[in-house]
Amino acid sequence: AQSVTQLDSHVSVSEGTPVLLRCNYSSSYSPSLFWYVQHPNKGLQLLLKYTSAATLVKGINGFEAEFKKSETSFHLTKPSAHMSDAAEYFCVVSDRFYGGATNKLIFGTGTLLAVQP
Amino acid sequence: DVKVTQSSRYLVKRTGEKVFLECVQDMDHENMFWYRQDPGLGLRLIYFSYDVKMKEKGDIPEGYSVSREKKERFSLILESASTNQTSMYLCASSLFRGVTQSSYEQYFGPGTRLTVT
Repeated sequence: AQSVTQLDSHVSVSEGTPVLLRCNYSSSYSPSLFWYVQHPNKGLQLLLKYTSAATLVKGINGFEAEFKKSETSFHLTKPSAHMSDAAEYFCVVSDRFYGGATNKLIFGTGTLLAVQP
Repeated sequence: DVKVTQSSRYLVKRTGEKVFLECVQDMDHENMFWYRQDPGLGLRLIYFSYDVKMKEKGDIPEGYSVSREKKERFSLILESASTNQTSMYLCASSLFRGVTQSSYEQYFGPGTRLTVT
C-alpha cells in the first residue's frame, strides 16, 4: 500500500532563508506525488506534482521538489522564504483505486511552516 | 479555473441532528470526494463518487452517507451528528483521465468547519 511520511510537523525559518520540507513515500510501483498548500481557513491548493517525467519539478510561488527514487523522497524546497509562505504543507501520493475508475490521494499529516520576519 | 464551492464555511449543530453538507463544482468533473481534516491526522477520505448516483466508501465512512443526483453536486450527510464528527470537511473534484494515467490532481473547496455540541 502507498503511504507518505512527513518528517517534520513544524518548521520555522527566517524570511529570506531557504525552506526545506521533507517527505518520504512508500509505493509498490512508480508513484505520482504531489505537494499541496493550505493557508489559514482556506482550502488546499496544488503546488506541484510529479508524474514520472522530469525528476525535478517546479511549482508555483518559487517552490520545487525533487523525486529521488533511491531515497524514496520527495522533499519540497524554496531558495528564499517569504512571509506569505506561512501555511500548512501536505505531501501526497496517488494510489490506484477501484479498477482505475479514479485514483485515491493519500495525505501526509502535514508540516506547518512558520516564517519569522 | 476550477471552482469548488461548499454551502457553508461554519456550521454548528446539536448532537443527534441530521446534517447536510453541500458541494458544487463547475468544471464538469466526473469524480468528487469528501474528506475530513483533523489536526495531526491529515486528510482522510470519507466517500467518493465517480459518476452520478455512484458512490464508494473511503477510509472512514461510518456515520456518513452521500448523495450525487447531479454531476456537479455531491452531498455529505451526517445521519445523526455526534461530537466526534466535529471537524473540518473538505470537498474535492477531479477529472477522469483514463486508467493509464495516475496523475489526477484534485481541486478543493474552502472547507466547512462543523461543530457538534
